[in-house]
Amino acid sequence: SQQGEEDPQALSIQEGENATMNCSYKTSINNLQWYRQNSGRGLVHLILIRSNEREKHSGRLRVTLDTSKKSSSLLITASRAADTASYFCAMTTDSWGKLQFGAGTQVVVTP
Amino acid sequence: NAGVTQTPKFRVLKTGQSMTLLCAQDMNHEYMYWYRQDPGMGLRLIHYSVGEGTTAKGEVPDGYNVSRLKKQNFLLGLESAAPSQTSVYFCASSYHPRTEGMDGYTFGSGTRLTVV
Repeated sequence: SQQGEEDPQALSIQEGENATMNCSYKTSINNLQWYRQNSGRGLVHLILIRSNEREKHSGRLRVTLDTSKKSSSLLITASRAADTASYFCAMTTDSWGKLQFGAGTQVVVTP
Repeated sequence: NAGVTQTPKFRVLKTGQSMTLLCAQDMNHEYMYWYRQDPGMGLRLIHYSVGEGTTAKGEVPDGYNVSRLKKQNFLLGLESAAPSQTSVYFCASSYHPRTEGMDGYTFGSGTRLTVV
């Protein structure tokens, strides 16, 4: 079974709006990462948050982590059409760094 | 351009045929991984390598073999392809999380494999 689950599975918003997606996981983690995948392409690393961190920012991205609830959220502010992609959370549960992925959230941003 | 290169990008196999997928990285990464991506299931780890000459099983290793003879290359082999192996295969690499600190993976652009 998958370690991570994203919610919602799909999200449709207009340019300028914020997009929020959530990730829940089952067991204790070392760190949690978010990736973006454009259609037909490989995954691109967006941001990494460690288990002892609660919030992290990178440009228009804001990631939170609540280890007590075993959940994380990714917020994209002021969405652009170019943000249309699938977003995946992934986590490591040991120091060897093997990532386990969720099934992803498909985000469509319309102009 | 630095990164992870996968070949081929597309392939159609007949059931029972064999093939090898090649992954090459030029970032001097210690760790390399092979994942498969199926609709609605995210990515699942097939095999991984923590250094030249080492390999280990991931979540879904059956029907696949791997080799890491050189640090920059990680090969994924299908000895006798089955329709269940129809998928998109991604290679990734990363620094050694213990000695160089945890960072994100760098992914290749994928190989779309169809087994008929």
